[in-house]
Amino acid sequence: EVQLVESGGDLIQPGRSLRLSCKVSGFTFGSYAMSWVRQTPGKGLEWVGFIRSKAYGGTTEFAASVKGRFTISRDDSKSIAYLQMNSLKTEDTAVYFCARTVTMPHYYMDVWGTGTTVTVSS
Amino acid sequence: AIQMTQSPSSLSASVGDRVTITCRASQGIRNDLGWYQQKPGKAPKLLIYAASSLQSGVPSRFRGSGSGTDFTLTISSLQPEDFATYFCLQEYNYPLTFGGGTKVEIK
Repeated sequence: EVQLVESGGDLIQPGRSLRLSCKVSGFTFGSYAMSWVRQTPGKGLEWVGFIRSKAYGGTTEFAASVKGRFTISRDDSKSIAYLQMNSLKTEDTAVYFCARTVTMPHYYMDVWGTGTTVTVSS
Repeated sequence: AIQMTQSPSSLSASVGDRVTITCRASQGIRNDLGWYQQKPGKAPKLLIYAASSLQSGVPSRFRGSGSGTDFTLTISSLQPEDFATYFCLQEYNYPLTFGGGTKVEIK
C-alpha cells in the first residue's frame, strides 16, 4: 500500500526553525519528485515547493512566500523527504501536506499524506 | 505569478445534478492544469491532470476540459460522495498556484 506520513509539526515561536519529515512506503521513493503543500485554517491550498528526483538533478522550486527561508531535501536511502523551515512567521501557520509528484510530461500530485500541523505563535 | 480565478466560490446542488466549475488563468497555460477534490479534514485528491486526463480510479462522471486560459471541471451527475471543495492548480510555471476553491454543498 502506498503511504505517506508527515511528522514534525509543532507549536513554535516566530523566528525559530522546524523540520518536517515525510516518510513514504509502498513505492520506489527515488523515482518520484516530492511536493509540499500547505493549508491555512479554513482557507485554500498553497503550493510550498518541491524537489525533483535525483534523475532530474534533485533540484528544488519554491513559492515566493517561502523562498530563502524554506528548503526541501530528500534521503532516498530512507525514503524520506524533508521540509526545513527557518525564520518562521505567524503566517506560516498551516497544515502541511507532502505529496508524491509526477513531473513529466505534466506535474501532478497523485498520492498525499494526511498532513501535520504547524502553529507559529509567541 | 500566474493567478487562478475559480468560480463560483460555492454552489448548492442536488444529487443527480450536472455541476460545472470554472478556472481562469491570468495568462495562457496551455493544458497545464489539474483538478483536486478535498473533503473536510482530509488531504486533497487528484481528479484530473493535463486539463482533461482522468486520474486512475476516478469515476468517469468527472470531466475536465479547456486550454489556454479557460478551464472547466464538470460532474455529470452529482453523487453524495462528491460534496466537497474543488481546487484547480496550474503547473505551467513556477511558482505553481491554486485557484481559490469551489465548495459544492447539498441543496
